Amino acid sequence: GAGVSQSPRYKVAKRGQDVALRCDPISGHVSLFWYQQALGQGPEFLTYFQNEAQLDKSGLPSDRFFAERPEGSVSTLKIQRTQQEDSAVYLCASSSDRVLVNEQFFGPGTRLTVL
Amino acid sequence: KQEVTQIPAALSVPEGENLVLNCSFTDSAIYNLQWFRQDPGKGLTSLLLIQSSQREQTSGRLNASLDKSSGRSTLYIAASQPGDSATYLCAVRRLVNYGQNFVFGPGTRLSVLP
Repeated sequence: GAGVSQSPRYKVAKRGQDVALRCDPISGHVSLFWYQQALGQGPEFLTYFQNEAQLDKSGLPSDRFFAERPEGSVSTLKIQRTQQEDSAVYLCASSSDRVLVNEQFFGPGTRLTVL
Repeated sequence: KQEVTQIPAALSVPEGENLVLNCSFTDSAIYNLQWFRQDPGKGLTSLLLIQSSQREQTSGRLNASLDKSSGRSTLYIAASQPGDSATYLCAVRRLVNYGQNFVFGPGTRLSVLP
């Protein structure tokens, strides 16, 4: 497809379950970002990949959060032992450049609800 | 730490009005600033990107200005339409490191009434 896609679009998990969220960036895009958006707030940075290298994970809220992009294209954000405070929309964005001057293109997000 | 605020938090206007949305940021050392639109349950759609060396960008009925020294940007929407109803977010990109690379404001929820 032409845009960034994410799956699933909606995920309901019981507290303590592990979840995996997938992001398919625009083909050829070098940079990939994950964001967490709480209700009524702007997105907050979680982590950044340049190709397969995770250059910054300073925004990950705890060690229960893990992200990977093993082949430099598709990325997975994994949350272990989910907690209610993890409920949010998780957005993925990609960008074509390394020097980070170009636009970020966002996917539709995955809405995670932890019961 | 870069902080981004947006005023007003919500705005309701009748169709046809011109309106201005405001974005302020605390650290002027930015690479660029981007305005986005977010519809309920959807991702973000990029509207305008202003590089730090630019003063404004225009696209159709939208005009965004940037005053880096004062830490402000405005998004001007001319002749508003009901289809413009959405949340508008600004985000600043910093030069320093990837962790602070893109900082978003909380958004302005716009309702344009027919």
